[in-house]
Amino acid sequence: SAVISQKPSRDICQRGTSLTIQCQVDSQVTMMFWYRQQPGQSLTLIATANQGSEATYESGFVIDKFPISRPNLTFSTLTVSNMSPEDSSIYLCSVEGGRTNEKLFFGSGTQLSVL
Amino acid sequence: DAKTTQPPSMDCAEGRAANLPCNHSTISGNEYVYWYRQIHSQGPQYIIHGLKNNETNEMASLIITEDRKSSTLILPHATLRDTAVYYCIALLYNDYKLSFGAGTTVTVRA
Repeated sequence: SAVISQKPSRDICQRGTSLTIQCQVDSQVTMMFWYRQQPGQSLTLIATANQGSEATYESGFVIDKFPISRPNLTFSTLTVSNMSPEDSSIYLCSVEGGRTNEKLFFGSGTQLSVL
Repeated sequence: DAKTTQPPSMDCAEGRAANLPCNHSTISGNEYVYWYRQIHSQGPQYIIHGLKNNETNEMASLIITEDRKSSTLILPHATLRDTAVYYCIALLYNDYKLSFGAGTTVTVRA
């Protein structure tokens, strides 16, 4: 199974600032996904980030707020821009399972608190 | 993807089997049933998946009804470490965009 490292694991930020979350995978993967989990809620897909193409955003999420980079097959970043307290969530990176039965592998997430 | 319905919560005694139901009455013929769980403060973890036949692996068993409108995840001998939120997801085999519902919060008690 893929090993996913997310940085930072947690952060406390001030309103109006931006935070970039990094996702590093130990193997090359085509598909990467970014999810958000608001407090007490289930996971919601933000966007799909495939290497070599622009990220595809789900309804309710826009590039200006959540710009994503995917420079190569093992790395991606998600930026949460102009943060407000409503952005306080866990942000999770996930990657395709490849030949394994697991559809997606998930990182342990970034716990973000916005004051 | 077909909508799935799960009970919001259930308790289970340690050492006993935990049977988690999932309703997916609108599932299409080529949608698989996937189960994931999320232990507190961790990312979701794959458990098992199936199409028609019952499946078993080292973690759990999956029983799918003949009409495929519902399924049951069975944890054969629940431990305290199985306390988690369990998600049942219907998904086409070549689709990777998992759509998580509310899931079932399972609490295993000593």
